[in-house]
Amino acid sequence: KQEVTQIPAALSVPEGENLVLNCSFTDSAIYNLQWFRQDPGKGLTSLLLIQSSQREQTSGRLNASLDKSSGRSTLYIAASQPGDSATYLCAVEGTGFQKLVFGTGTRLLVSP
Amino acid sequence: GAGVSQSPRYKVAKRGQDVALRCDPISGHVSLFWYQQALGQGPEFLTYFQNEAQLDKSGLPSDRFFAERPEGSVSTLKIQRTQQEDSAVYLCASSLARGTLYEQYFGPGTRLTVT
Repeated sequence: KQEVTQIPAALSVPEGENLVLNCSFTDSAIYNLQWFRQDPGKGLTSLLLIQSSQREQTSGRLNASLDKSSGRSTLYIAASQPGDSATYLCAVEGTGFQKLVFGTGTRLLVSP
Repeated sequence: GAGVSQSPRYKVAKRGQDVALRCDPISGHVSLFWYQQALGQGPEFLTYFQNEAQLDKSGLPSDRFFAERPEGSVSTLKIQRTQQEDSAVYLCASSLARGTLYEQYFGPGTRLTVT
């Protein structure tokens, strides 16, 4: 059974810092990995999707990498801003009809 | 364009009541998913539809949970005889098609509280 773990569970940084969020998964037979952002009381917003054949994806200040063989992904956020404060979730799509297996998330607080 | 919408946004039910949660996916999206998110946890898969066909219901926690998508568009998740452990946020997501290239777009969720 696929299990997804995210470290750290919570992170508090001052504005402007670069930071790294970690995601690990137990079964390397995945189709893709997605990083999501969740704001309190809201649904999930997709940030980046990395297909299993790719090593990384970039969008603005965000960069996500994937090392399928070691079962790891990292989300790098450059020059963090208070508006980045949210919970970040990673999810992997394995075998079966596209269902995503999520980690428990990293709660990020960026203070001005 | 319009995203995934869910209604109601909040629902309080007394233990033993039946509830129905609605999801309106993005127009034209073939795939529809339901997830359950307990407080402080990541979402957990419940069930998946491709058009009107329910292809995977392996995540439904008990036979009290039932989902349908009769015309391949709007979906309803029904919970019978609600229990306190059913309290959670229920998220709906849709995707353009089956395949690894297609992202899932999530609705705002329905927060269910069973008292």
